[in-house]
Formats: sequence, structure tokens, C-alpha cells
Amino acid sequence: GESVGLHLPTLSVQEGDNSIINCAYSNSASDYFIWYKQESGKGPQFIIDIRSNMDKRQGQRVTVLLNKTVKHLSLQIAATQPGDSAVYFCAEGYNFNKFYFGSGTKLNVKP
Amino acid sequence: GAVVSQHPSRVICKSGTSVKIECRSLDFQATTMFWYRQFPKQSLMLMATSNEGSKATYEQGVEKDKFLINHASLTLSTLTVTSAHPEDSSFYICSARDQEGDGGYTFGSGTRLTVV
Repeated sequence: GESVGLHLPTLSVQEGDNSIINCAYSNSASDYFIWYKQESGKGPQFIIDIRSNMDKRQGQRVTVLLNKTVKHLSLQIAATQPGDSAVYFCAEGYNFNKFYFGSGTKLNVKP
Repeated sequence: GAVVSQHPSRVICKSGTSVKIECRSLDFQATTMFWYRQFPKQSLMLMATSNEGSKATYEQGVEKDKFLINHASLTLSTLTVTSAHPEDSSFYICSARDQEGDGGYTFGSGTRLTVV
């Protein structure tokens, strides 16, 4: 499958600060990207998605940026809260078909 | 929003036995569901794509006879781990997409399989 990787395995931030989690993908044909959050022992929880015809999409406290030129995806979390502590995965897919996950970044939010 | 229910959440079985895991889309129909496997502190690995009314599509390296998938209705897909061994112990997760709703993929809560 496609190779999707994350630059930082662990990210520690102070509560209230902004967090940025990065992801690189390898398949230039991928047209759909998703960020997921996973808490220990639970299934992934959808955060936000973006299609390849966009370069930015905003949700509640989260923003996803897509740079197709360098095949890079990032997730920005504003005013990070303790409840944001989890492992974050990016995933890429094509034509809303199966998609592949990156290796994950653990976010630690310090109070 | 769309809900995917996975059952059981935890199962312990003896080596050599088979285990069935169910994945149901509760409020939408899913012609396609996906099965993932996740080892501790690792990412989700796509195992197979479950297609309603037809054979599943398996990813390279995944044994079809080991991981039997049945998608008999638009709301139910099952994964059966046959002749389970300790190395099959893992977290199995399914997902489905509500094409009529917001279009996002929804995941089940996962099944923790332990083979002893």
C-alpha cells in the first residue's frame, strides 16, 4: 500500500498552546486525507478530512493544511486541552476507496 | 452521525479455535466495509475490504483462509479468525463510510483479541 509516515512520534505541549502534527504521504494520486485521534484501547475517532482540491480546511479548534507539491499534511490544534492527549493518525486514500494510515504521533498535553 | 458497532469488544480464546467479530452499521447502509489490525503502539494496518454480496479484497500478505470475511447484508460484515494462534492476538477494527450522510468514514470501537 501507500507509504504514509509521520515526522514526530511524540509531541508534548503546554495546555493552551497550539499544536502542530505533521504527516508525509507518498502517493501523489491520493485525493482524500483524514486525520484521526485514538485514545488508548479505543477505535479511531474522526477529526477532520480534506480533499485534494483544497489546501486548507477548518473545523472546531482544528485546521488541516494540505501541500500537494511536497506531499505534506498537517493538523493544527488551537488552544490544546488535556482532552486532546491521544495518538493522532493521518490517512490517505483515493476516490473514497480504502485508505492507509500513517505511523501515528502521540500528543501529550501538560497541564 | 453515522455509528458503527463492533462486537465483541474483548475476546479471549484458546489456540486452534476460531473467533468471529461482527461489524454493523447502525443507521446507514454500507456496501463496503474495511477491516484493520493494530498491534500495540503501532498504526492501523488495512487487512481487507469487505464488499456486500461479493468476495472480500485482501491486502498483500493477508491470508484469505486465515481471516474469513463475510458481508452478507448492507449493514453487517463479519471477520472470522480461523485456527487462531497467539500471534493473531491484536486489536481488530472495522470501518464503514456513510455515502448518504456526511461521507466520512466511521470506525467501530474495536475488538481486542487475545489467543492463549
